[in-house]
Amino acid sequence: GAGVSQTPSNKVTEKGKYVELRCDPISGHTALYWYRQSLGQGPEFLIYFQGTGAADDSGLPNDRFFAVRPEGSVSTLKIQRTERGDSAVYLCASSTGPASTEAFFGQGTRLTVV
Amino acid sequence: KNQVEQSPQSLIILEGKNCTLQCNYTVSPFSNLRWYKQDTGRGPVSLTIMTFSENTKSNGRYTATLDADTKQSSLHITASQLSDSASYICVVSLNYGGSQGNLIFGKGTKLSVKP
Repeated sequence: GAGVSQTPSNKVTEKGKYVELRCDPISGHTALYWYRQSLGQGPEFLIYFQGTGAADDSGLPNDRFFAVRPEGSVSTLKIQRTERGDSAVYLCASSTGPASTEAFFGQGTRLTVV
Repeated sequence: KNQVEQSPQSLIILEGKNCTLQCNYTVSPFSNLRWYKQDTGRGPVSLTIMTFSENTKSNGRYTATLDADTKQSSLHITASQLSDSASYICVVSLNYGGSQGNLIFGKGTKLSVKP
């Protein structure tokens, strides 16, 4: 596609529910990143994929968070037993590779846990 | 620890005025530094990218500087417009093979341009 696409753009869920956030990177981009951005803060790293594998998942806050990229393209961020503190904008970015000079961001998914 | 710090946290200026945003970093091994503009509710969009050997780079009314010795960068906005109201994020990239996919983010400076 022309850019990084994230769906849904907004998601409201009840505390304790399970949610999935989807990221479609730019075609051909092998590197994919997930970030979480709280109000008034810069993006915080969650997980980085190079191809199908998670090269670094050290930013995932706990085992309720999980992400997959089974075919090396689309990625899904999964959050189990959501808590109100999970409310944030979840950003996805992609680049041509780990040494790329630029990452391109999607518009984000705003998750609200009520 | 690899860190990127930005100042000020927020800034309010009048339309037409100039302003300068600061970024200090402790990132190694350094690859490049980028400034992103993030409008409310949108993803960050790249303004400038600077490598170790570059001191200044301009993009329209935006001019970024880099001092690799002191590990400081600035973003200067000339003749500000209302549409410049956004968060400006400094991002430093590690060399190939760094962890976290090699992008270290600052917390951003929230700029508000008033008429």
